[in-house]
Amino acid sequence: QVQLVESGGGVVQLGGSLGLSCAVSGFTFSAYAMHWVRQAPGKGLEWVAVISYDGSNKYYADSVKGRFTISRDNSKNTLYLQMNSLRHEDTAVYYCVKVFMSGLQSYHYFDYWGQGTLVTVSS
Amino acid sequence: EIVMTQSPATLSVSPGERATLSCRASQSVSSNLAWYQHKVGQAPRLLIYGASTRATGIPDRFSGSGSGTEFTLTISGLQSEDSALYFCQQYNNWPPWTFGQGTKVEIK
Repeated sequence: QVQLVESGGGVVQLGGSLGLSCAVSGFTFSAYAMHWVRQAPGKGLEWVAVISYDGSNKYYADSVKGRFTISRDNSKNTLYLQMNSLRHEDTAVYYCVKVFMSGLQSYHYFDYWGQGTLVTVSS
Repeated sequence: EIVMTQSPATLSVSPGERATLSCRASQSVSSNLAWYQHKVGQAPRLLIYGASTRATGIPDRFSGSGSGTEFTLTISGLQSEDSALYFCQQYNNWPPWTFGQGTKVEIK
């Protein structure tokens, strides 16, 4: 079955860096666009970044643009999020999410989510 | 950016009764709207896509309706396991993809 397992979360100093990974299985990873979505404590869900199936296209939320980098390794079935210049407001649970596809068409709602990994930015 | 607004923030409903959750978009998103259920400590679960189509394995007590800017998620015959946070998400105009702030459904 489809599984998405995030790792790499933890406590990081203000202004520091952290890298998240998401190992996937149960579907053809290389065919799917993938997103990162986060949820700050007591807040709603916030979309963070997306990467196309082949890594050629990427989009970021304005709040992370220039600081975060999404990437993927299709040979390892793994999605990444490199986070630099971390701020207090980046404290959140980060989810790796899979888009739904029908045929060759991607529909950017999310049919599978990981359990999330907590990132805490501390001063 | 399309802003999604959900109401109410919290809904307290007795078992067996109906819960009606609203989601409003700041501009039309056609029928490109999804609903998710999120329980503490679990991954969010897709309930509805295309505003009204149930995802695989979702019980028929969950139903979605609406188009354009006004959407509703209805949970009929509420059960204890339906206690959760419910989010809507638009995928019509992007980036960014945007979510509502959520409605917490409590069982009386």
